[in-house]
Amino acid sequence: DQQVKQNSPSLSVQEGRISILNCDYTNSMFDYFLWYKKYPAEGPTFLISISSIKDKNEDGRFTVFLNKSAKHLSLHIVPSQPGDSAVYFCAASAGRGSQGNLIFGKGTKLSVKP
Amino acid sequence: GAGVSQTPSNKVTEKGKYVELRCDPISGHTALYWYRQSLGQGPEFLIYFQGTGAADDSGLPNDRFFAVRPEGSVSTLKIQRTERGDSAVYLCASSPRSGRGETQYFGPGTRLLVL
Repeated sequence: DQQVKQNSPSLSVQEGRISILNCDYTNSMFDYFLWYKKYPAEGPTFLISISSIKDKNEDGRFTVFLNKSAKHLSLHIVPSQPGDSAVYFCAASAGRGSQGNLIFGKGTKLSVKP
Repeated sequence: GAGVSQTPSNKVTEKGKYVELRCDPISGHTALYWYRQSLGQGPEFLIYFQGTGAADDSGLPNDRFFAVRPEGSVSTLKIQRTERGDSAVYLCASSPRSGRGETQYFGPGTRLLVL
């Protein structure tokens, strides 16, 4: 049973526009969330994270929003660039006592077209 | 300043054979994680080391899988009697310390194909 769900396998966006990637989770014990970006033949690269005590975290063009009541988070990329084309994974970490093991979604493949 | 490295990058083996996959974490990182990524899936946790000891091996699918980290640095994931279903990308990650909130840095992975 998937505890972290990314229901859109793919997303296509025009260069310069906003990309919005969504993620839902089922386990209310999750209290730390991360987004990773993965290019083909490379390992995932950390992008941005958010703690459950916050509802927004921003880093340059990337912003993550967390809605705890809906168990939903989203990653916004503005403006989108062709180099952002990659697979994006949402990941979650459990609460107090967690060793940091991450639980990943299946990923969303983002294509940014020039 | 090297990142996490993994060898080999690709491994093809026959069903029933034994394989070893190696991970060199970032120097000084005490926490090391192994994940497995099957086609169309996200990475799935296998095992976690804090120093030399396996702190959590709850993700290992069965007793054919084993991992060691004898000196608290390099780790080896060992798979006995490989099966076709073991075909996947095996990812290693390290972080400065354990615990949530610590960014995990991933290696490029080893692509294992069992024929």
